[in-house]
Amino acid sequence: EAGVAQSPRYKIIEKRQSVAFWCNPISGHATLYWYQQILGQGPKLLIQFQNNGVVDDSQLPKDRFSAERLKGVDSTLKIQPAKLEDSAVYLCASARSHYEQYFGPGTRLTVT
Amino acid sequence: GQQLNQSPQSMFIQEGEDVSMNCTSSSIFNTWLWYKQDPGEGPVLLIALYKAGELTSNGRLTAQFGITRKDSFLNISASIPSDVGIYFCAGFWIQGAQKLVFGQGTRLTINP
Repeated sequence: EAGVAQSPRYKIIEKRQSVAFWCNPISGHATLYWYQQILGQGPKLLIQFQNNGVVDDSQLPKDRFSAERLKGVDSTLKIQPAKLEDSAVYLCASARSHYEQYFGPGTRLTVT
Repeated sequence: GQQLNQSPQSMFIQEGEDVSMNCTSSSIFNTWLWYKQDPGEGPVLLIALYKAGELTSNGRLTAQFGITRKDSFLNISASIPSDVGIYFCAGFWIQGAQKLVFGQGTRLTINP
């Protein structure tokens, strides 16, 4: 089966610009996650969707980050405006059962 | 938030050697997962552990869920060059609103 797809793979923007990332989960996986992975650290959960509803967004900086999962399949994560500290890899993961999460290749964001 | 302490932070070994790394917490976890991440890629699930005391193997990899539910270890036997990468432990904290928490990673380097 096809894995989690993400695009773009790399993005370089200037601070205060906006950026959007796209994720297509594994077919049939109802749960979708967005993680932020700063260099040298493990991934940190930003938001979790169950179908098209938000389950947990307690660690999402809502003043600048937003995410949606229309129709319960694809998802987009947006940052507006970006800050230097947003430079990181943004990982999307999906799961059929809650516990075994499968990750996409990530989008590496550099904010200059 | 809850933290997982992963050790060692890095390992330099000779090809063919066995590897052991572990993950500890001051809190109880009800599931432990071990992931491997290659440069420029997302984490790949290696082993999932669901019960205290559980010992599970996946090829040359063996992982155990500690009896106290506060730790887990991963062993790799007879290491080969493709084992190079960063290994992350991750767990679902029993009181943590079902968020997957990651350790800081163990970077494995193998000298041929």
